[in-house]
Amino acid sequence: QVQLQESGPGLVKPSQTLSLTCTVSGGSLKSGDYYWTWIRQHPGKALEWIGYVYYSGSTFQNPSLKSRVTISMDTSKNQFSLKLSSVTAADTAVYYCARVGDYRDHYFDYWGQGTLVTVSS
Amino acid sequence: DIQMTQSPSSLSASVGDRVTITCRASQSISSYLNWYQQKPGKAPNLLIYAATSLQSGVPSRFSGGGSGTDFTLTISSLQPEDFATYYCQQSYSTPFTFGQGTRLEIK
Repeated sequence: QVQLQESGPGLVKPSQTLSLTCTVSGGSLKSGDYYWTWIRQHPGKALEWIGYVYYSGSTFQNPSLKSRVTISMDTSKNQFSLKLSSVTAADTAVYYCARVGDYRDHYFDYWGQGTLVTVSS
Repeated sequence: DIQMTQSPSSLSASVGDRVTITCRASQSISSYLNWYQQKPGKAPNLLIYAATSLQSGVPSRFSGGGSGTDFTLTISSLQPEDFATYYCQQSYSTPFTFGQGTRLEIK
């Protein structure tokens, strides 16, 4: 059974960089079988796709965030990470990591529990 | 970006009812449409992928339909555990986008 767990600071100051890590168990990132993704949800709002990473290192980010987003993978630790720079209060959200179940249909079949990140001074 | 619009935004229904939620895409997305259920404080849970395929472990009372721009999620007989928020998501093109959600409440 695949499990994902987000970790990182729950409070980030404005203009700083938000950094989160997703640790995957029950599956190997280096197998290359799946893409891995970040999604966020503003309080009481809908879901927003942030971007994905593949074991080869290739990534794709939502253009609305692209200039501020870095997604990377560390296969030796079976982790992938999100960095979001120059954060503002608008980046306050629950951040989820998830597995892309199929690269063609691109649905998200396993999710972490989510971690709330608040941007505030 | 492809806009996804769900209707209704909220819905009240009773246990045993048949319920249908609609999702409309701003352009044709073929069958690249997925449905999720989310309960308060929890991550979304995949119900339906590729418009009509039932995810493993999901009860058969859930079904999906449609193609092109118009899609439906139907729950044939509501159970108490089905009261939640439902989201559609298009996976036709990046950036992948979600509908605004449909909140299903107990009448």
